[in-house]
Amino acid sequence: KNEVEQSPQNLTAQEGEFITINCSYSVGISALHWLQQHPGGGIVSLFMLSSGKKKHGRLIATINIQEKHSSLHITASHPRDSAVYICAVTTSGTYKYIFGTGTRLKVLA
Amino acid sequence: NAGVTQTPKFRILKIGQSMTLQCAQDMNHNYMYWYRQDPGMGLKLIYYSVGAGITDKGEVPNGYNVSRSTTEDFPLRLELAAPSQTSVYFCASSYSGPDYEQYFGPGTRLTVT
Repeated sequence: KNEVEQSPQNLTAQEGEFITINCSYSVGISALHWLQQHPGGGIVSLFMLSSGKKKHGRLIATINIQEKHSSLHITASHPRDSAVYICAVTTSGTYKYIFGTGTRLKVLA
Repeated sequence: NAGVTQTPKFRILKIGQSMTLQCAQDMNHNYMYWYRQDPGMGLKLIYYSVGAGITDKGEVPNGYNVSRSTTEDFPLRLELAAPSQTSVYFCASSYSGPDYEQYFGPGTRLTVT
């Protein structure tokens, strides 16, 4: 079992829909990161969380440390949101990230 | 700022050949990382560096070597390329440890045949 699990693996939505991507982890963490990988391959950091909730534009990320779970929400989804969304955790006391395998999102116009 | 740059973008190697993937950052970041991304798999850490002259192995270091002679540059050396090294390679950097935002390069797609 992977230490970082994401669901769903694939998601297709209609433009305007509210989208939720989930991430569960099984290790002690110091922070959780959400990344976006564009269709061209580039990777961009969206959020870093150690508690609570962060919002940037139409993106909202939440984390529940006790339940070892994080969600990434996209409100009013748009075709340009189509990408792979990757959850990663940094484990306490190490320099390493552990990455999930990603959620491939396709938003249809 | 150019951010994190990687060269080349694409490369095809024959089995047994060697090459160096170049990575540079102009953000004065202390931490640099090399990852590989295989289809359907999460990114895997190959090597990382916490500063000039200091490097350490990640999860999948076999078949690779690194050096960090300057803050800016972190080249990855592949010796005796094997088909199992066919992958997309990403370099990344962060100001301090992994609890800081990572900035990724555009990637190098390597095929070993």
